[in-house]
Amino acid sequence: QKEVEQDPGPLSVPEGAIVSLNCTYSNSAFQYFMWYRQYSRKGPELLMYTYSSGNKEDGRFTAQVDKSSKYISLFIRDSQPSDSATYLCAMGVYNTDKLIFGTGTRLQVFP
Amino acid sequence: EPEVTQTPSHQVTQMGQEVILRCVPISNHLYFYWYRQILGQKVEFLVSFYNNEISEKSEIFDDQFSVERPDGSNFTLKIRSTKLEDSAMYFCASSPDRPRSGNTIYFGEGSWLTVV
Repeated sequence: QKEVEQDPGPLSVPEGAIVSLNCTYSNSAFQYFMWYRQYSRKGPELLMYTYSSGNKEDGRFTAQVDKSSKYISLFIRDSQPSDSATYLCAMGVYNTDKLIFGTGTRLQVFP
Repeated sequence: EPEVTQTPSHQVTQMGQEVILRCVPISNHLYFYWYRQILGQKVEFLVSFYNNEISEKSEIFDDQFSVERPDGSNFTLKIRSTKLEDSAMYFCASSPDRPRSGNTIYFGEGSWLTVV
């Protein structure tokens, strides 16, 4: 079983739609969780950081963590064509420096 | 907004050659990292660096790889004798402190390495 699983997509939605992106993980030791956005051939750009179960909102983005189910989500409201990118989940454990990434979900928002 | 800068953006090298990838982390950051992403695969941790020494490294980071902070601003990744399977995008990253402390990791644009 992979440590972090993420549906690669592509996920194609119309402009204005609510997008739900998800990751599951197997290692219950993961303690903090991040969502990154990556445009083609660019570096990952941090969107959200969370470390507890529950929801965290920032503008059009909401990150949700369910540690009991080992499941994290990123919701994008009022999606825009400029949101078209690959979304990477990443997670870590407090006693290490490394982030473990999912494979990324490619999102396409069409006008 | 401060950013992590990397050079070169793209390098083609022959198998067996040495390659040095360079990075300028964000100026007040203390932790530095290298990650790589083979085309179509996930981003993978290589190494973290703090206080002029390696803090942590992955199984990928074998004796072919080394990192250095030769001066107060640059952070380099050297691959001693490149192999075809080293072809990947290499990302430098930095953070104010350890990610476990709630500090976010900022990534550069990447250096695309092609080994032929």
